[in-house]
Amino acid sequence: GAVVSQHPSRVICKSGTSVKIECRSLDFQATTMFWYRQFPKQSLMLMATSNEGSKATYEQGVEKDKFLINHASLTLSTLTVTSAHPEDSSFYICSARLWTGQGFSDTQYFGPGTRLTVL
Amino acid sequence: GEDVEQSLFLSVREGDSSVINCTYTDSSSTYLYWYKQEPGAGLQLLTYIFSNMDMKQDQRLTVLLNKKDKHLSLRIADTQTGDSAIYFCAESRGGYNKLIFGAGTRLAVHP
Repeated sequence: GAVVSQHPSRVICKSGTSVKIECRSLDFQATTMFWYRQFPKQSLMLMATSNEGSKATYEQGVEKDKFLINHASLTLSTLTVTSAHPEDSSFYICSARLWTGQGFSDTQYFGPGTRLTVL
Repeated sequence: GEDVEQSLFLSVREGDSSVINCTYTDSSSTYLYWYKQEPGAGLQLLTYIFSNMDMKQDQRLTVLLNKKDKHLSLRIADTQTGDSAIYFCAESRGGYNKLIFGAGTRLAVHP
């Protein structure tokens, strides 16, 4: 249980194009999903918190017009990198929060990541 | 992720125990987590501990939490080559329980 998928796993695009990455929770509903970025041999940097039915909350320094997040359902969040440039090349990872509101359990399950390369 | 600190590298012999340490900063963190990442993959949740606990054991994994010192450790008993990976500790913050990660500890297991 608690499986999160991402699509695509790898994408190569030309500079100036937009790329959409999907994050799905396959066997649970997630009111909250998160988007992270990871540079080679570095930690995960939280980009934004995505809540179903409302606007995403972006971390300081993350351009909301550059990284568009839509969380239209309880199982799907999308990240669109608009007008991509080579410096946007990175490993993007999403997670979905599993929290029942009861007991001592509040966890995030991560997708396998999407490798974006912008030429 | 610089608020959470970990040593960057640990090398152990197969069959020995591994201990990965982490210090965090937010004393109000409700949960603390350990994740494992293999090359080119996402993060796998290994275990987590609620902040009012001192210890949690799950098969070969033992988590120790010292709230006073804001110190978290992960012990892997009988370390195997398949345990070779990067291990991240993370603290939770805010109402949505967002995670702040350490830089990750690369565990190398040798024969």
